[in-house]
Amino acid sequence: EAQVTQNPRYLITVTGKKLTVTCSQNMNHEYMSWYRQDPGLGLRQIYYSMNVEVTDKGDVPEGYKVSRKEKRNFPLILESPSPNQTSLYFCASSGGGGANVLTFGAGSRLTVL
Amino acid sequence: GIQVEQSPPDLILQEGANSTLRCNFSDSVNNLQWFHQNPWGQLINLFYIPSGTKQNGRLSATTVATERYSLLYISSSQTTDSGVYFCAVGTGNQFYFGTGTSLTVIP
Repeated sequence: EAQVTQNPRYLITVTGKKLTVTCSQNMNHEYMSWYRQDPGLGLRQIYYSMNVEVTDKGDVPEGYKVSRKEKRNFPLILESPSPNQTSLYFCASSGGGGANVLTFGAGSRLTVL
Repeated sequence: GIQVEQSPPDLILQEGANSTLRCNFSDSVNNLQWFHQNPWGQLINLFYIPSGTKQNGRLSATTVATERYSLLYISSSQTTDSGVYFCAVGTGNQFYFGTGTSLTVIP
């Protein structure tokens, strides 16, 4: 089944403890991206990647890092999480080209205490 | 970035009613998609529609790119249509989402 898989789905952590949210897709998509969803703000793009070793900032990149060493994986790294990064995070991928239709993962709910 | 405004913010419908959701955006885009976020949080793509009109069952969408708006029509609504509907617009590789329309369909 074609899908985007995120892990963990739920995580409670403490301020300053580094964490990684993994994202993997099995559709051979070139484009991958991360979003955070907060009440009243919709989804905001954090980072995106056009292909292996090609990443760029979205609207809200502060406090996050990403890497794209393999085409299928696009992990989101919080080096020193803070409470304002408590949010629902989504990873998405698409085949790019003329029809950049996004396929989303199930989401990862992160709480930073 | 591009501003995306969706209206109405909230909508309550009786089962079987029709509705129109609107998405306005502030600049030219080359990508526009509608998503449904179900009560379990899943985001499902409904339409890729940077221009023109498409239909899929009880749902249809129209985008008038020159006037920077898109409409999502839901006919004969069902309780399973409940959730939040998001419009997302894209330029190049960046995407901007509206704050959504929360739809509740009551039996």
